[in-house]
Amino acid sequence: DAGITQSPRHKVTETGTPVTLRCHQTENHRYMYWYRQDPGHGLRLIHYSYGVKDTDKGEVSDGYSVSRSKTEDFLLTLESATSSQTSVYFCAISEDSTYNEQFFGPGTRLTVL
Amino acid sequence: AQSVTQLGSHVSVSEGALVLLRCNYSSSVPPYLFWYVQYPNQGLQLLLKYTTGATLVKGINGFEAEFKKSETSFHLTKPSAHMSDAAEYFCAVSDSGNQFYFGTGTSLTVIP
Repeated sequence: DAGITQSPRHKVTETGTPVTLRCHQTENHRYMYWYRQDPGHGLRLIHYSYGVKDTDKGEVSDGYSVSRSKTEDFLLTLESATSSQTSVYFCAISEDSTYNEQFFGPGTRLTVL
Repeated sequence: AQSVTQLGSHVSVSEGALVLLRCNYSSSVPPYLFWYVQYPNQGLQLLLKYTTGATLVKGINGFEAEFKKSETSFHLTKPSAHMSDAAEYFCAVSDSGNQFYFGTGTSLTVIP
């Protein structure tokens, strides 16, 4: 299995609080992604990174920010959590952006009350 | 933008029967196509991928898929379903950009 860990694995928080999710990889892959998975929507891209300090928005980026200060770490921050951000969040990595497969972490289940 | 349509959010088959999960895509450029499987409370695992070359692609666990450009399809098949195949399956397409586009998933139930 690709070396991808996510922390925390489960989190319950209250509306209005900031939340940071961490993705850590040991594969030295250039690309890292954050997705959210919701019933009926599949996986939707939030943000991605194509190198240290290089990030771009995905399909559902509103209310989220990211940072990547090291190759191995990609942080996702919910600036002020809302109930609509209750979801399962997956991190993924890939060597190349186009035809190399993405490897997925185990996911973080976030509940916003 | 690319898009992926998976027909049938739920598919049930009997153990030993053929599995057919449908995927159609839209892409303005030659696509790269992927099938992933997700078991409960886990991340996604790659089953198979099509990039270039042979249009019939074999993957893990006996699955295969055929890229049909004229039909813009990449359907997933397995000749004989096993109980362990019960999972959620996602089709994805990647173009020459930096993103994958996933379908909404098909939940496969295998009936003993």
